[in-house]
This record gives sequence, structure tokens and C-alpha cells, in this order.
Amino acid sequence: GDSVTQMEGPVTLSEEAFLTINCTYTATGYPSLFWYVQYPGEGLQLLLKATKADDKGSNKGFEATYRKETTSFHLEKGSVQVSDSAVYFCALSESSGGTSYGKLTFGQGTILTVHP
Amino acid sequence: NAGVTQTPKFQVLKTGQSMTLQCAQDMNHNSMYWYRQDPGMGLRLIYYSASEGTTDKGEVPNGYNVSRLNKREFSLRLESAAPSQTSVYFCASSDRVGYGYTFGSGTRLTVV
Repeated sequence: GDSVTQMEGPVTLSEEAFLTINCTYTATGYPSLFWYVQYPGEGLQLLLKATKADDKGSNKGFEATYRKETTSFHLEKGSVQVSDSAVYFCALSESSGGTSYGKLTFGQGTILTVHP
Repeated sequence: NAGVTQTPKFQVLKTGQSMTLQCAQDMNHNSMYWYRQDPGMGLRLIYYSASEGTTDKGEVPNGYNVSRLNKREFSLRLESAAPSQTSVYFCASSDRVGYGYTFGSGTRLTVV
């Protein structure tokens, strides 16, 4: 079945540092890929997405590129802020026509803490 | 405001008690989902409803039942709560593949 593997956390950075959170996946077909963010005490919010190979999703200074050859979707940000402290989840959704139509499979989440 | 509404936000149950978690969305989405979130395990799918009138098991359905009452509402029932069901439960909805989910704010359930 489909699976998503994220880098082990937690990740602790100083403000303005460069962020990378690795994400690799296993799936049949051509999944859509997502990054979600969860702030303390809240539900998950969609951060960015990519629906086909070589697409780059971006939002709020975060970027991730859909790399089919390496089955990866790593999250990056050039300069993190204290307000970016949250849990980040990588996820995939099977392409339409599959038996798991629309369902998201999540990675285990990576806790990011940014210090001033 | 448009979105997914879950009730209650917090609940404490004794082992063996039953309860229903409510979820409603006002975005006219076809698909709805129930996940549970446990430390270090990400989110695991309990049940989902691809469209009104259909429900299917997810990864961890044991001990739960669901009802898709209409297009807007999708409830999750625990018939006989167990401590292993202590978790945070999230409801979500979606319209099409590739567009992601909209999540509710969650229900924190403790079973003692």
C-alpha cells in the first residue's frame, strides 16, 4: 500500500535559519502530494501541494518540488521565523481511478521549533 | 465561516461508555473522513465516506462505527470505549482528488 516517510524529528532551529524537512513516498500510479501544518491546539491546514511530477508547490515562503525519480517531496524554507513553530505533515493522495480515491496517507509528522 | 465543525472539543469517558462524535461541513464536499492522531504515528484513517450514502473502512476501524447522515454530516460512534481509544480525532472533507482536505479543529478524547 501507499506510505509516506518523513525525517525524524524534532527539528530545532534559530530564527532565519534554512529549513529542510525530508519526505519520501511509496505509491502506485501518480499521486498528488501535500504538506500540511498543525499549530498547537489546532487542526491541520493545507500548506502547499503538487499534483504532477516536477510541479513546485509554494506558500508563505515554503516550497516543495514533486520529484518522481527520487519519489520525494522535501519541504524547504530559506529563513524560518518563530511563528513557523508547528508540526509538519507530508501526505499523498492516490490518483483518480484508484481504489483509494481521495484518501490521504500521512507521514508521522515532524515537530519544528524555532528559537529567537 | 465556511469549514468543518466538530463537536465536542473535549470529552472524558469511562471504559465501556459510548459516545458519538459529530462532524458537519458546509462546503458542499462529497467526501468526508475520520482520522485519529496519536503521538509519533501521524494520522490514521478510521473510516471514510466517498459520497453521500457510502461508507468504507480505513486503516484502523475496529471499535468504531460511522453514519453519513446526509451530505453535510458524518458522525463517528464509539460503542464501548477503551483506553486505547484515547486520542485526538479529526474530521475532514474534500471535493476532488488533488485538492487536499479541510480539517476540523479536533476532538480530544480521554478514556479512563
